[in-house]
Amino acid sequence: KNEVEQSPQNLTAQEGEFITINCSYSVGISALHWLQQHPGGGIVSLFMLSSGKKKHGRLIATINIQEKHSSLHITASHPRDSAVYICAPRFTGNQFYFGTGTSLTVIP
Amino acid sequence: NAGVMQNPRHLVRRRGQEARLRCSPMKGHSHVYWYRQLPEEGLKFMVYLQKENIIDESGMPKERFSAEFPKEGPSILRIQQVVRGDSAAYFCASSPYDRNEQYFGPGTRLTVT
Repeated sequence: KNEVEQSPQNLTAQEGEFITINCSYSVGISALHWLQQHPGGGIVSLFMLSSGKKKHGRLIATINIQEKHSSLHITASHPRDSAVYICAPRFTGNQFYFGTGTSLTVIP
Repeated sequence: NAGVMQNPRHLVRRRGQEARLRCSPMKGHSHVYWYRQLPEEGLKFMVYLQKENIIDESGMPKERFSAEFPKEGPSILRIQQVVRGDSAAYFCASSPYDRNEQYFGPGTRLTVT
């Protein structure tokens, strides 16, 4: 069964803190998307990765295919990072499977 | 390069009416995906299209829903005889190739009264 689990479900951090969001999935995948959904509902693609690590600005995403696990890190968090972060693995077949995400609030 | 565009952004329909949602992919993208997000739920895949072809419609409800992506013009998601349970945010995404990173539009929020 294709399942994806994110932790934590909700996270509150102080501005400047280092943040980690974890994503575990049940079976083998070919790729994984990390997305950001803003309070207004808009969705931004942050990363798509199938191995190793990617970095963009203050965001870092890693994936361990053998352990079926991916992490999203935010360094020097800022209130504008407040959003829902969604992990979406692509299982067999073409489609991504989206979890309900991690709701992040960064307090000034 | 404009991003993925969707219109309308908000759509209100009465039960039994038809809803037409439009999606214009990013320039150079020939793959379009439609997703639905019910309140307090995650995105759910509906359909994947290329120009003039439906590639995967495994997430589409069997009745009342249809999608197309013609050779010219935007992709259309059509919901006939809407019911209150159709109220949701509908997002489309596009990519230049199959199995590539997807870029999302701002969504259409459908409210059925």
